[in-house]
Amino acid sequence: GAGVSQSPSNKVTEKGKDVELRCDPISGHTALYWYRQSLGQGLEFLIYFQGNSAPDKSGLPSDRFSAERTGGSVSTLTIQRTQQEDSAVYLCASSAGGTQYFGPGTRLTVL
Amino acid sequence: DAKTTQPPSMDCAEGRAANLPCNHSTISGNEYVYWYRQIHSQGPQYIIHGLKNNETNEMASLIITEDRKSSTLILPHATLRDTAVYYCIVRVKTNTGNQFYFGTGTSLTVIP
Repeated sequence: GAGVSQSPSNKVTEKGKDVELRCDPISGHTALYWYRQSLGQGLEFLIYFQGNSAPDKSGLPSDRFSAERTGGSVSTLTIQRTQQEDSAVYLCASSAGGTQYFGPGTRLTVL
Repeated sequence: DAKTTQPPSMDCAEGRAANLPCNHSTISGNEYVYWYRQIHSQGPQYIIHGLKNNETNEMASLIITEDRKSSTLILPHATLRDTAVYYCIVRVKTNTGNQFYFGTGTSLTVIP
């Protein structure tokens, strides 16, 4: 069956521009997570959606970062006024309540 | 707060068992231990998880100590394709669901 998909796979942008990253979770998975992974580092939690509950935004590094999950399925992570330190791989995972399944990630490069 | 500590790197000879340790001394009674691995430029891949009992699947075995303060992931016959970063994670129940705490992982290199 289809796994978690993310788009685009690569994104190059200029400092100060806004970017949107998309995640399509596994169908039926109620939980969706966003992580960030800088080069050579571990995963940094950003935000977590669970069903219709208010999202856990405790990992968002600044108010330039936001995320939505429409209809309990697709999620979009938005980074406004990008900075060079935002360059990283952004990973999405979905879960049916236990194990997380990860997408391939979006590599963001801010010039 | 990663909740887990792992050695930063390990080597293993091809064909031998790879034993990857993890400390989770602050784990609570209902928190699961998960293991994932990440091969370069890919998303993390689920390996195995457990609560109290030892677990085995087609990929690996998970040995959890009786006090649950540490665990070991065992790859019984390591191959070159097992070279990856291995993450030991604690899954915590929160008010809204489950939260997964990733540490910095162990970089395993399987040597021919």
